[in-house]
Amino acid sequence: KNQVEQSPQSLIILEGKNCTLQCNYTVSPFSNLRWYKQDTGRGPVSLTIMTFSENTKSNGRYTATLDADTKQSSLHITASQLSDSASYICVVSAEGGTGRRALTFGSGTRLQVQP
Amino acid sequence: GAVVSQHPSRVICKSGTSVKIECRSLDFQATTMFWYRQFPKKSLMLMATSNEGSKATYEQGVEKDKFLINHASLTLSTLTVTSAHPEDSSFYICSARKAGATYEQYFGPGTRLTVT
Repeated sequence: KNQVEQSPQSLIILEGKNCTLQCNYTVSPFSNLRWYKQDTGRGPVSLTIMTFSENTKSNGRYTATLDADTKQSSLHITASQLSDSASYICVVSAEGGTGRRALTFGSGTRLQVQP
Repeated sequence: GAVVSQHPSRVICKSGTSVKIECRSLDFQATTMFWYRQFPKKSLMLMATSNEGSKATYEQGVEKDKFLINHASLTLSTLTVTSAHPEDSSFYICSARKAGATYEQYFGPGTRLTVT
């Protein structure tokens, strides 16, 4: 069964600090892994997408890493800002998944950045 | 860009009534749209997949007669919650996949439904 597990479930950090969110998956065959940011009451917004051959990708202060061998990914946020407070969702896509079961969602990490 | 809109953003309805939620791809054609439901502090749960011009495919446990999905054009899909019940109160999110794309989905901003 395809699964995506994220940790921690929630995290509180002070503004300006860095943090790293984890994602472990057992999706096969693997196609790509994405990180989304979801503000409360809003839809998810894509941060990064990585395929099998990519092991790091940055988007501003967000840097995602992927280890396809260990099936782990991380999202590192640098110099956090209050606006980073949101849920961060790891989503893994199965290869050949053009159908409805293409995406497996993690339960998300709720990040709260405090002043 | 790839912008997906939803309307309304919030809706309150009485038990027993029906409510329609629209999902539009504003700057691209979407052959496939997906409808998700999200409970508080939980991740998205896929409800159904709709392909333009054909019947929607529902996930196990989702009542197709209660959640009517229509994907009449390449830029519009609608979700109608029929005979709404307080248990249907939730956050509903749609996503759209571009024609010819293999996997990228673009999410709408969501619709908060409250059934009183």
